[in-house]
Amino acid sequence: EAGVAQSPRYKIIEKRQSVAFWCNPISGHATLYWYQQILGQGPKLLIQFQNNGVVDDSQLPKDRFSAERLKGVDSTLKIQPAKLEDSAVYLCASSSKDRVSIPNTGELFFGEGSRLTVL
Amino acid sequence: AQTVTQSQPEMSVQEAETVTLSCTYDTSESDYYLFWYKQPPSRQMILVIRQEAYKQQNATENRFSVNFQKAAKSFSLKISDSQLGDAAMYFCASFTGNQFYFGTGTSLTVIP
Repeated sequence: EAGVAQSPRYKIIEKRQSVAFWCNPISGHATLYWYQQILGQGPKLLIQFQNNGVVDDSQLPKDRFSAERLKGVDSTLKIQPAKLEDSAVYLCASSSKDRVSIPNTGELFFGEGSRLTVL
Repeated sequence: AQTVTQSQPEMSVQEAETVTLSCTYDTSESDYYLFWYKQPPSRQMILVIRQEAYKQQNATENRFSVNFQKAAKSFSLKISDSQLGDAAMYFCASFTGNQFYFGTGTSLTVIP
């Protein structure tokens, strides 16, 4: 079974430029998450999709960040314009269910992440 | 808001010894899951072990086991016979309602 695919793995941009990250979840997984992980910290949820609908985007800085999940499969996360504090690893994860239910495990499957450096 | 607290930013263990990583969580839900995830340097995060809140028995996966104290809202991870490959960041997480909540992580060093 193929895992969660993310690209690019690394990106270096100047502040005020734009960047886009792509994620393809595990086939059949309805729920997709984008997390921001700043060095030395735990993942922080940016946005959660259930199929192609947004479940939670309360922590997404909507003035500069946007995300979409067309057709309920792959997803893109865009930052425009980027700030220095956006330097982080952007993790995509997917899960097969939206709620904890027996025998569902609720396990998250992560991609390798996209490391962004803003200069 | 749900919170997950890992009070040990860094831990070290001698190879072949045992180490315990601490985690506490705060939830008002009765139905939830708890996880330990491992993130090796520059590699993807993977699941180490999972505990269903409704189960009293502590989960075990080979050298990894948990001590789940539901009343105290404590969920520690014990790694036995530590190996060099265990060196990584370890994140405690809870899944409740419709969302995951992560701790800030514990960096584990394994000393040869």
